Amino acid sequence: NAGVTQTPKFQVLKTGQSMTLQCAQDMNHEYMSWYRQDPGMGLRLIHYSVGAGITDQGEVPNGYNVSRSTTEDFPLRLLSAAPSQTSVYFCASSYWMPGLSSGANVLTFGAGSRLTVL
Amino acid sequence: GESVGLHLPTLSVQEGDNSIINCAYSNSASDYFIWYKQESGKGPQFIIDIRSNMDKRQGQRVTVLLNKTVKHLSLQIAATQPGDSAVYFCAESGGDTGRRALTFGSGTRLQVQP
Repeated sequence: NAGVTQTPKFQVLKTGQSMTLQCAQDMNHEYMSWYRQDPGMGLRLIHYSVGAGITDQGEVPNGYNVSRSTTEDFPLRLLSAAPSQTSVYFCASSYWMPGLSSGANVLTFGAGSRLTVL
Repeated sequence: GESVGLHLPTLSVQEGDNSIINCAYSNSASDYFIWYKQESGKGPQFIIDIRSNMDKRQGQRVTVLLNKTVKHLSLQIAATQPGDSAVYFCAESGGDTGRRALTFGSGTRLQVQP
């Protein structure tokens, strides 16, 4: 099993450019999410999805779009890149855990995508 | 490798000693907690989790303690090894946030001295 696969691993953009970070998982997980990681700030949730066709905003959604047309894929789109979006981005997936108020479960993370916006 | 945190609190221990990494959380309604380990240049890896109806859970060389009274979570690593050197994150979920997701702390860097 490949687990969670993110592409590209590295990307440099100019301010105002758009791009899509790809995320795919082969574990048939219902839940997928995107986090960004900045120095000293841990991981902050951008968007998440509890199943195909369903997405919701996280803590820092501005400037990002997502869609979930299939169970396997959860791309993250930067509409107009800004230097503040320079970060390392992680995609993660999990099964949904019943019995918990949020349903959050053990997330399996991808290896990350480092984005630099000049 | 990539830097995962330039200003993280750091715990430095000698190889073979026990390590205790602490985490405070703010949401008293959280009902699920989890610890992750992140090595340089890699994504976070699951270590151990605990539900709020428990106060202790043990894994291989690791123990998580949950004190809901003071909203405190700790990770104990027995006989710390050089391979344990990494950044450790706690995360929580649940309660009345309306958001179905894990919320992460800012992390602690563990340095194991040989």
